[in-house]
Amino acid sequence: GNSVTQMEGPVTLSEEAFLTINCTYTATGYPSLFWYVQYPGEGLQLLLKATKADDKGSNKGFEATYRKETTSFHLEKGSVQVSDSAVYFCALITGNQFYFGTGTSLTVIP
Amino acid sequence: ETGVTQTPRHLVMGMTNKKSLKCEQHLGHNAMYWYKQSAKKPLELMFVYSLEERVENNSVPSRFSPECPNSSHLFLHLHTLQPEDSALYLCASSQGYYGPSYEQYFGPGTRLTVT
Repeated sequence: GNSVTQMEGPVTLSEEAFLTINCTYTATGYPSLFWYVQYPGEGLQLLLKATKADDKGSNKGFEATYRKETTSFHLEKGSVQVSDSAVYFCALITGNQFYFGTGTSLTVIP
Repeated sequence: ETGVTQTPRHLVMGMTNKKSLKCEQHLGHNAMYWYKQSAKKPLELMFVYSLEERVENNSVPSRFSPECPNSSHLFLHLHTLQPEDSALYLCASSQGYYGPSYEQYFGPGTRLTVT
């Protein structure tokens, strides 16, 4: 079946550190892949997306590349800020089905 | 208003109360969703409406009753809830219900506490 697996949290980093949050997926067909971010007390916001293999999604300094060969869509940022503290969700859509990962909590300390 | 709005943002209700959650999308989308987000659990899809017709109902107890009077509005009617129903209820919308580019846009959620 279809599923999304992302790394367990919580993740704690110092400001300006490099961030990687791993996400792998299992899907039939050709899914589109997404990263969502949820700040405290808010709903999920779309952070970036990629709709086909080798596409790179980017936004606010975050990047993720759709890797079909490794079925991965890892989220990266070169230098995190305190304001990036949030929960990050990897997700995929295939057909009419949306699948979310369990979320990875990130805390950035000054 | 822009995007997806939800009211109320916080709700405390007793187990014998009846209340409703409201969601409104200002994006011209044709599909709307209710999700339940509980602490330390994956996001749970509850209901999906496409063009005002319910297309998914994922084994949700009958004490939750959705209503979609038009493509911009979605309600979740609540009655005789249990304490384990306490959670963040998220509404989302998407341009369509089928297709690889139909990402979902979420509202801020209603934090529900059942006492």
